[in-house]
Amino acid sequence: EDKVVQSPLSLVVHEGDTVTLNCSYEVTNFRSLLWYKQEKKAPTFLFMLTSSGIEKKSGRLSSILDKKELFSILNITATQTGDSAVYLCAVEYGNKLVFGAGTILRVKS
Amino acid sequence: KAGVTQTPRYLIKTRGQQVTLSCSPISGHRSVSWYQQTPGQGLQFLFEYFSETQRNKGNFPGRFSGRQFSNSRSEMNVSTLELGDSALYLCASSRDRAGETQYFGPGTRLLVL
Repeated sequence: EDKVVQSPLSLVVHEGDTVTLNCSYEVTNFRSLLWYKQEKKAPTFLFMLTSSGIEKKSGRLSSILDKKELFSILNITATQTGDSAVYLCAVEYGNKLVFGAGTILRVKS
Repeated sequence: KAGVTQTPRYLIKTRGQQVTLSCSPISGHRSVSWYQQTPGQGLQFLFEYFSETQRNKGNFPGRFSGRQFSNSRSEMNVSTLELGDSALYLCASSRDRAGETQYFGPGTRLLVL
């Protein structure tokens, strides 16, 4: 069965810490992996990854995909309280997205 | 560019009724996907439409159906509502396929009593 597993399920850090969120997947006919941030509203797009080893960066956030080991990581450096959210990983195959359960990140000031 | 819009934003129904939710994608986007989000199950894929055709469907009963119009606007319908259908229903649009940069609407929160 196709699945996407995120870890950890939840995380509490202090402002300024660096965090690494993990996403592993088992799907056939993989096309892309996407990361989203969800606060108390709809998910907002962060990154789309299709190729192994190419890091994507946006400010303090970065992400990389390993298609051989079937996982991706999302790094957040110098965390801020505004980074508190649920981070969702989704894998595309066959014109649909399968989402992981998400990682709940709480950043304490 | 206007974002994805969904109507209504909130809805209260009783068991056995049916409901229709609407989604207007970003202009130029032809792929529209629907998701159900609940605390217990997370975000689950319902179906994806492209050029008025359903291209893929998730593992939901036949009570859940949808359609897409020629202007790419989409509707989903849930018949014979059950308590377990209470959820946030999210619509997302992308240019050509679900796995591209996909933008979500604000969602419709459905409560079934």
